[in-house]
Amino acid sequence: AQSVSQHNHHVILSEAASLELGCNYSYGGTVNLFWYVQYPGQHLQLLLKYFSGDPLVKGIKGFEAEFIKSKFSFNLRKPSVQWSDTAEYFCAVTEGGGADGLTFGKGTHLIIQP
Amino acid sequence: DTGVSQDPRHKITKRGQNVTFRCDPISEHNRLYWYRQTLGQGPEFLTYFQNEAQLEKSRLLSDRFSAERPKGSFSTLEIQRTEQGDSAMYLCASSFPSLYYNEQFFGPGTRLTVL
Repeated sequence: AQSVSQHNHHVILSEAASLELGCNYSYGGTVNLFWYVQYPGQHLQLLLKYFSGDPLVKGIKGFEAEFIKSKFSFNLRKPSVQWSDTAEYFCAVTEGGGADGLTFGKGTHLIIQP
Repeated sequence: DTGVSQDPRHKITKRGQNVTFRCDPISEHNRLYWYRQTLGQGPEFLTYFQNEAQLEKSRLLSDRFSAERPKGSFSTLEIQRTEQGDSAMYLCASSFPSLYYNEQFFGPGTRLTVL
């Protein structure tokens, strides 16, 4: 069975700091990878996704993630965070083709201090 | 609003009662998913439909849980004989997958509280 590990459950940063959130998955086959964000009081929204091709993917709001197959990782990055990035971030995986449901990590609660 | 909608947004019930939640997917989406999210955890996949066919239901938490999508449009999730441990957010998502990928769009969820 697939599993997803997010290493940082709570992260506190100051505005303009750089961000990197770790995500590792356990599945040896072809995977589709996602980062979702949940802003306070809002529903889950897709930040970015990887299906194939360039392992460096860019998403909305200046976020990017790098798929490193040899490390089973898909870390999320942003060079300079803003107060409005305060949210819960979830990494998720599904098998290539993605017919089945997503397997999510436990999430990282990110707080940006002004 | 053309996104995924869920009804009700909040449900409070007493232990032992049955509850039913509804999900309306994005109109052209043929796949519909149900997830459960408890406090401090990521969403947990329960079941999914392609059109009206339920293609995966082994992940439903117990035989008290059932889901339907009778006409391939909206779906309902029913929990019978609710228990306090069923208190959670129940999320619905929909997608229209291509050959290569499947991007799921989530609704706002139904928060269930079992007293």
